[in-house]
Amino acid sequence: EVQLVESGGDLVQPGGSLRLSCSASGFTFNTYVMHWVRQAPGKGLEYVSAISSNGVNTFYADSVKGRFTISRDNSKNTLFLQMSSLRIEDTAVYYCVTDSVVLTASRYYYVMDVWGQGTTVTVSS
Amino acid sequence: DFQMTQSPSSLSASVGDRVTITCRTSQSISTYLNWYQQRPGKAPQLLIYAASSLQSAVPSRFSGSGSGTDFTLTISSLQPEDSATYYCQQSYSRLMYTFGQGTKLEI
Repeated sequence: EVQLVESGGDLVQPGGSLRLSCSASGFTFNTYVMHWVRQAPGKGLEYVSAISSNGVNTFYADSVKGRFTISRDNSKNTLFLQMSSLRIEDTAVYYCVTDSVVLTASRYYYVMDVWGQGTTVTVSS
Repeated sequence: DFQMTQSPSSLSASVGDRVTITCRTSQSISTYLNWYQQRPGKAPQLLIYAASSLQSAVPSRFSGSGSGTDFTLTISSLQPEDSATYYCQQSYSRLMYTFGQGTKLEI
C-alpha cells in the first residue's frame, strides 16, 4: 500500500524554526517528484514546494522562498521541509504529496495522486 | 504566474441535482487541468486529470471538460457523499502548480 506519513508539526513562536518529515512507503520513492502543499485554517489549498526525484531541482512558492528548504533522503524514503523565520500566516496543515506521471494516448500528464494525512503547524506567540 | 479562478465559491444543491463548477486560468494550459475533492477533515483526493479523464474508482457521475483556459467539473446526479470542497489545479507549469480557490458544495 502506498503511504505517506507526515510528522514534525508543532506550536512555534513567530521567527522560529521547524522541520517537517514525510515518511514514504509502498512505492519506489527515489523515482518520484514530491511536493508540499498547505492549507491554512478554513482556507483553500496552497502549493508550497517541490523537489525532483534526485533532489537536485527544487521549487518554491513566492510566499516561502528564502525561508523554507525542501530536501529528501532517498536512502531513507523521507521528504523534509525545513521552515525558518516562521510567520503567523504559515499556520496551516502541511501535506506531503506524490507527483505521478500518467501516459494517455497522446501525451504525458502530471497528477498529485497520493496525499499524506497532514501535520499541523501553528505559529503563535 | 498562473491565476486560477473558480466559480462559484460555494453552492447548495439537492440530492439528484446536476451541478457544474467552472475553472478559468489566466493563460492557456491545454488540458493540463486536474480536479480534486476534499471532504471536511480529510486530505484532498484526485477526481479528474487531463481535464476529462476519470481517476480510478471515481464514480461515473463525475465528469470534466474543457481546454485552453476554460474548464468545467460536472456532477450529474448529486449524492449526499458529494458534499465537499472541490479544487482545480493546473499542471502545465511543471512542478510549480497552482490551485483554484475552491468551491464548497453543500448538499
